[in-house]
Amino acid sequence: QSVLTQPPSVSAAPGQKVTISCSGSSSNIGNNYVSWYQQFPGTAPKLLIYDNNKRPSGIPDRFSGSKSGTSATLGITGLQTGDEADYYCGTWDSSLSAVFGGGTKLTVL
Amino acid sequence: EVQLVESGGGLVQPGGSLRLSCVASGFTFSTYWMSWVRQAPGKGLEWVANINQDGSEKYYVDSVKGRFTISRDNAKNSLYLQMNSLRAEDTAVYYCARTFRGVIYYSYYYYIDVWGKGTTVTVS
Repeated sequence: QSVLTQPPSVSAAPGQKVTISCSGSSSNIGNNYVSWYQQFPGTAPKLLIYDNNKRPSGIPDRFSGSKSGTSATLGITGLQTGDEADYYCGTWDSSLSAVFGGGTKLTVL
Repeated sequence: EVQLVESGGGLVQPGGSLRLSCVASGFTFSTYWMSWVRQAPGKGLEWVANINQDGSEKYYVDSVKGRFTISRDNAKNSLYLQMNSLRAEDTAVYYCARTFRGVIYYSYYYYIDVWGKGTTVTVS
C-alpha cells in the first residue's frame, strides 16, 4: 500500500486531455513539493514535473502539474499514442523518507 | 553526457549480501544528493535510501533499516548500496538516481532528475 494514492488506470482518446490525481496527507503533499515521472515498460523513469508545476528542459507544455491541499494533479493535453506509459507522483514525507504513488497506467484509446 | 551506470546486481540466496555500485559521469557528483530507488517485478517505484553531498546525512525506508547501508566516494564519483540479510521481497530492479532535496520556506522539495538504467537483484 503506497503512502500516496493514485488511480490504477486512466484512459482517453488521442487529442483529448487527461488528468491523474495523487492524494496524500499533511505530512507529505500538504506541506512539500510534488514531482511526477513517466515510465515506459522496461525503461527507467523520466522526470516530467518538479516543485509541483515546473517542467524540466525538453518536457513539452502539454504536461502540467498542480497542487491543492493534500492532493496533486498531473494534466496531459493533446494526448498522443506515445504518451501511453505509467505515471508516478512523488514527494518528501515528514517521516524523513521519500514516497511515491502506486502508479497510474495511461491508455490512449 | 550526464550518466549513471549501476552494477553489482545478481542472484543471491535469502540471508545473503550484495553490494551495488553506481558510477556517475558528466556532472559534478560531489554537489548532488543521490538516491537508490527500486522496483519489484510488475510493481511501482519504491524509494530505498538517499545520501547528502558529503555523506553526513542518510535516510532509509523502514523495510531496509539495519540491513542496507548507502555510501558514496566522491573521489571516485561513485555511489554504493551494501545490502545484507537479503529477503525475497528485496527482489527488484535497483536504480541509482541523481537527486534534488532541500527546503524552501519550511517545505521540502525532493525529486530525481537523472536515473540509471538499473541493475537487477534477485533473492531466491
